[in-house]
Amino acid sequence: DQQVKQNSPSLSVQEGRISILNCDYTNSMFDYFLWYKKYPAEGPTFLISISSIKDKNEDGRFTVFLNKSAKHLSLHIVPSQPGDSAVYFCAASAGNYNQGGKLIFGQGTELSVKP
Amino acid sequence: DTGVSQDPRHKITKRGQNVTFRCDPISEHNRLYWYRQTLGQGPEFLTYFQNEAQLEKSRLLSNRFSAERPKGSFSTLEIQRTEQGDSAMYLCASSPRGRDNYNEQFFGPGTRLTVL
Repeated sequence: DQQVKQNSPSLSVQEGRISILNCDYTNSMFDYFLWYKKYPAEGPTFLISISSIKDKNEDGRFTVFLNKSAKHLSLHIVPSQPGDSAVYFCAASAGNYNQGGKLIFGQGTELSVKP
Repeated sequence: DTGVSQDPRHKITKRGQNVTFRCDPISEHNRLYWYRQTLGQGPEFLTYFQNEAQLEKSRLLSNRFSAERPKGSFSTLEIQRTEQGDSAMYLCASSPRGRDNYNEQFFGPGTRLTVL
């Protein structure tokens, strides 16, 4: 049962334009969401996160939007740069501080930003 | 650099052999996680430690897998009698003890295991 889904395996965007990566989840107990970026042969790198009490979080060129009623979140990258080309993973966790915080990941979306 | 480190980065072994991987978390982090990633998939949770206590194990962690974190610092993941299906990237992550950011896990570079 895939609790976190990224339905687009790949996305191609022109440099300078907006990249929008989408993620859907099924478990209503998820209360914290994260985006990670991964280059080949490296571990995932944390990008940005959002708590379920918010609907938007912004950090520089990266903004994450959360729509709890639709169980959907998205990552916006503006403007996109060639160095953003990587695989992006959406992840979710449930539970409080004493319950661990293991992450459930989506399958990833490979972003290609063309010069 | 004070990030998460893993050793070795690559391991090739023959089916039936035992292998052990090591993870050194960020020093001030008290939580440590192991994940496994196969091609085309996101990382899958295997197990989690808070300090030296192993608090959760996934059903993915068969009885051939064992993990330890003896002094609440580094951790080891051992796979006994390896099978070809164990071939994957094994990722370690750690997270801070703060209540505001304990969900933010920082990953190491991974150990790529190939079982022939």
